[in-house]
Amino acid sequence: DGGITQSPKYLFRKEGQNVTLSCEQNLNHDAMYWYRQDPGQGLRLIYYSQIVNDFQKGDIAEGYSVSREKKESFPLTVTSAQKNPTAFYLCASTGQGSVNQPQHFGDGTRLSIL
Amino acid sequence: GDSVTQMEGPVTLSEEAFLTINCTYTATGYPSLFWYVQYPGEGLQLLLKATKADDKESNKGFEATYRKETTSFHLEKGSVQVSDSAVYFCALSDRSGTGNQFYFGTGTSLTVIP
Repeated sequence: DGGITQSPKYLFRKEGQNVTLSCEQNLNHDAMYWYRQDPGQGLRLIYYSQIVNDFQKGDIAEGYSVSREKKESFPLTVTSAQKNPTAFYLCASTGQGSVNQPQHFGDGTRLSIL
Repeated sequence: GDSVTQMEGPVTLSEEAFLTINCTYTATGYPSLFWYVQYPGEGLQLLLKATKADDKESNKGFEATYRKETTSFHLEKGSVQVSDSAVYFCALSDRSGTGNQFYFGTGTSLTVIP
């Protein structure tokens, strides 16, 4: 079955450490997104990519970086510059073209500080 | 700019009660509208999708109608179950530049008690 795979499900970061969250999709979608979700909060857009080798900052990009070298993959790096990284991170993808196409989500990665 | 406003929670209902979660939107174009559901520790799952005015969509007992005149897409269910306890997100997709932009409401937490 097609879908989005996020790994790991749980991740711990030490102070001053960079960590990378994986997101892979086999839906043949062009666009991919990263969101941050804090407890009891909605989704905030970190970065998105509409095509390979191109990505755009979202509303809260500071302290994060991404790459889009392959259509299937959109990894997110949480850098040491992100002072409050503890959150639930969601990756999503969608086909391009019509606005009728919904976003499909992975099961998320929960990041905590040691 | 585009935005989605949905009813704030949390909402607590007894089993078999009627559910309404209000959602209104503002959009510059002609958006598609969505309802997503998020169970604890999981990603968002698509519940309903409507692409044009007066579309009435239903799934798993949930219904919503795309009302252009009132810019609304309220979620309803006639008889909720304990298993419906989750967070519900209203969202829209609108054309922006060469791609589609998604906008999410802040989510409404629903707890159904036996």
